[in-house]
Amino acid sequence: AQKVTQAQTEISVVEKEDVTLDCVYETRDTTYYLFWYKQPPSGELVFLIRRNSFDEQNEISGRYSWNFQKSTSSFNFTITASQVVDSAVYFCALSEAYTNAGKSTFGDGTTLTVKP
Amino acid sequence: DTAVSQTPKYLVTQMGNDKSIKCEQNLGHDTMYWYKQDSKKFLKIMFSYNNKELIINETVPNRFSPKSPDKAHLNLHINSLELGDSAVYFCASSQDQGGLGTDTQYFGPGTRLTVL
Repeated sequence: AQKVTQAQTEISVVEKEDVTLDCVYETRDTTYYLFWYKQPPSGELVFLIRRNSFDEQNEISGRYSWNFQKSTSSFNFTITASQVVDSAVYFCALSEAYTNAGKSTFGDGTTLTVKP
Repeated sequence: DTAVSQTPKYLVTQMGNDKSIKCEQNLGHDTMYWYKQDSKKFLKIMFSYNNKELIINETVPNRFSPKSPDKAHLNLHINSLELGDSAVYFCASSQDQGGLGTDTQYFGPGTRLTVL
């Protein structure tokens, strides 16, 4: 069964600190996709990244970076030099291409608070 | 231009009433979804439609009936509303031609339903 675990329920940091949000997934499929979404206090869900299971290259986008490691079934998200505007709930999600095709599973989310 | 729109944004109603939430996407996507986000921010898929055909029905009570008049619209009708239906309902769409759920999903702004 597909499962996503975001063990950190809440994280609080001070501005300019680096912070890593953990995501561990479970799947038996060899083809799957991983996502991160951001939900700021305004409530909308904003897409951040999509990564397929065959591409283990790390990705950097500005202050955001993602570390995908199949060996540990993890897809962690790091924010460098955090800012108050990064305060949000962050969701990691998994979509299997075969076994549970069509059913994206979201983690329970990590609430990040960045204090000035 | 709003990519995925939902109406209404807020819905307050009495127990036992019937209500509908509308969703429209102008992205030309083939697949649309309904998600429920409860008070703890847990996000769970309810339904997905691919080209007007139901793909996923995630053991949702049959008081919930989605309807897709065309692939740009997916409405959600809820009969005999109960207190436990209070939540934020998100519509989403993806390019996913096969309804596999592996493409990026773009979310609407959400509809906050409060049942009194």
